[in-house]
Amino acid sequence: DQQVKQNSPSLSVQEGRISILNCDYTNSMFDYFLWYKKYPAEGPTFLISISSIKDKNEDGRFTVFLNKSAKHLSLHIVPSQPGDSAVYFCAASSSSFKTIFGAGTRLFVKA
Amino acid sequence: ETGVTQSPTHLIKTRGQQVTLRCSSQSGHNTVSWYQQALGQGPQFIFQYYREEENGRGNFPPRFSGLQFPNYSSELNVNALELDDSALYLCASSPEWDREQETQYFGPGTRLLVL
Repeated sequence: DQQVKQNSPSLSVQEGRISILNCDYTNSMFDYFLWYKKYPAEGPTFLISISSIKDKNEDGRFTVFLNKSAKHLSLHIVPSQPGDSAVYFCAASSSSFKTIFGAGTRLFVKA
Repeated sequence: ETGVTQSPTHLIKTRGQQVTLRCSSQSGHNTVSWYQQALGQGPQFIFQYYREEENGRGNFPPRFSGLQFPNYSSELNVNALELDDSALYLCASSPEWDREQETQYFGPGTRLLVL
């Protein structure tokens, strides 16, 4: 039972354009959502998070949007840079559940 | 400030053996979580330790066990290894058991291969 789903295994974007990574969840008890980035041979690195009481959080080139009614969140990266090429994991947590991760989306940013 | 470190980086074991993986938390972090990441999947929560006590467990059998030491370093022990235990094992630390500070700092992982 996948409670956090990232339906796109990969995404390819041109440098300078917007990257949009999507994530769906099934459990309405989640109250905190996070995005992590992972380079090969490294552990995941925290990128940005959002509380369920908000619908948007922005940090530089990265913005996370949360649509609770649709149980959907997305990460926007603009402008995309070649160094953004990595695997991006969506994660969700609550007081009852520890952090649950999606399967990841591999982002390729072409120069 | 030292980040999260894990040892060993790679390990090969055979079915039925036992393995111990080690993790040193980031300085000042008293919460450590262990995850298993199989190929093509996201990290799956195994368990969490807070101040040397288990503080939550995922859907893993009892042959997965752990310890946290007074210096907040941690071990993951897996007994009776099975082929499906082959995966990347990630350790993550966080500064406080506080719902508002769920940001975790991950180590590079230990890649375990069970033959």
